[in-house]
Amino acid sequence: RKEVEQDPGPFNVPEGATVAFNCTYSNSASQSFFWYRQDCRKEPKLLMSVYSSGNEDGRFTAQLNRASQYISLLIRDSKLSDSATYLCVGFGNEKLTFGTGTRLTIIP
Amino acid sequence: DTAVSQTPKYLVTQMGNDKSIKCEQNLGHDTMYWYKQDSKKFLKIMFSYNNKELIINETVPNRFSPKSPDKAHLNLHINSLELGDSAVYFCASSPTGTYNEQFFGPGTRLTVL
Repeated sequence: RKEVEQDPGPFNVPEGATVAFNCTYSNSASQSFFWYRQDCRKEPKLLMSVYSSGNEDGRFTAQLNRASQYISLLIRDSKLSDSATYLCVGFGNEKLTFGTGTRLTIIP
Repeated sequence: DTAVSQTPKYLVTQMGNDKSIKCEQNLGHDTMYWYKQDSKKFLKIMFSYNNKELIINETVPNRFSPKSPDKAHLNLHINSLELGDSAVYFCASSPTGTYNEQFFGPGTRLTVL
């Protein structure tokens, strides 16, 4: 079983819709979590950190549930530019462990 | 201007050859990494160096040898290339104490024929 698991998608969502991604992790010693974004044929870039209290950055909301070992990302009012692969990432033992990513395509 | 740069961007070579990929960061970070992203897009750490010292080696075959001449550079040398080495290799860096916020280079797409 992978340490960080995500539904690979693809998710095809109309512009303006709200979309939610989930991710589960198996290593309860993981200290912190993040969402990275990777555009096609580009490098991953940090999108946002994930806190137990939930955190919001504009149209993006991330949530961590340690009891269920579950992380979520919500994107509201989706834009064409949100089309990318979203990588759920755990941090522990001085390294990042990446999920396989969820591919999102926003349709005009 | 580029924060983390890698050369070359593309590398096509024959099985059995030896090749190197170079990475440089101008962010003043102390920690650098090499990742491999395979055809299924799974990104996995290979090595990390902190101030020129190896701190993570994730059971990578010893045909892969990283070298850090100074804290701004981390090169990756691969001996006796195999078909399964075909992948995109990303270099990354992070400030000391914040291993979690990593800045990635543009990647080197290696194809072994």
